[in-house]
Amino acid sequence: EVQLVESGGGLVQPGKSLRLSCAASGFTFDSYAMHWVRQVPGKGLEWVSGISWNGATKDYADSVKGRFTISRDNAKSSLHLQMNGLRPEDTAFYFCAKAGYSSGYDVFDFWGQGTMVTVSS
Amino acid sequence: QLVVTQSPSASAPPGASVKLTCTLSSGHNTYVIAWHQQQPGKGPQYLMKLNSNGSQKKGDGIPDRFSGSSSGAERYLTISNLQPEDEADYYCQTWDTGGVIFGGGTKLTVL
Repeated sequence: EVQLVESGGGLVQPGKSLRLSCAASGFTFDSYAMHWVRQVPGKGLEWVSGISWNGATKDYADSVKGRFTISRDNAKSSLHLQMNGLRPEDTAFYFCAKAGYSSGYDVFDFWGQGTMVTVSS
Repeated sequence: QLVVTQSPSASAPPGASVKLTCTLSSGHNTYVIAWHQQQPGKGPQYLMKLNSNGSQKKGDGIPDRFSGSSSGAERYLTISNLQPEDEADYYCQTWDTGGVIFGGGTKLTVL
């Protein structure tokens, strides 16, 4: 059974940093691209960032480019999102999602349950 | 620029059928999409991948009550024999060279 479990969310002050993690199991992690998607409570889904199977290709939404960094550790089947320079508008649930292919863009065929990030003073 | 449009809301009684629409902007009618369901308080769940010719690939365990179809720039999700647990938000997802794009979602109410 595929499982994606996010962690690392919490309350942080504007301008500070936070690192999210996603522990993956139930599939061959190093064969698939992985992504982060966020959702402001009560609003729709927004793609944040994606990384290819080997970490060679990383893409970001314009809203987080230069502030967030996606990475992965295939040996530990884990995905990470380093968030620097956090802003109140980054407040959202953050979901980890598995892509259907190893690189490029594709459907997200499995999702985690999310971790909440609140940016407030 | 690729834009994905969904109606904000839909409703139907238990046992009925409902057809949700995802509309791709002009010039993008060959694009593949995915449908996702998000029940209240939960993470999204992948329902299916849907091509422009109507061929679909469902996620594991998705009931036959869920089906997809396509016409031009429109991608449809039909849910038959509505159940109370089908009350949820439904999102379509696609992608372009600039990244992944979601529609605004349709809130389905099972009356």
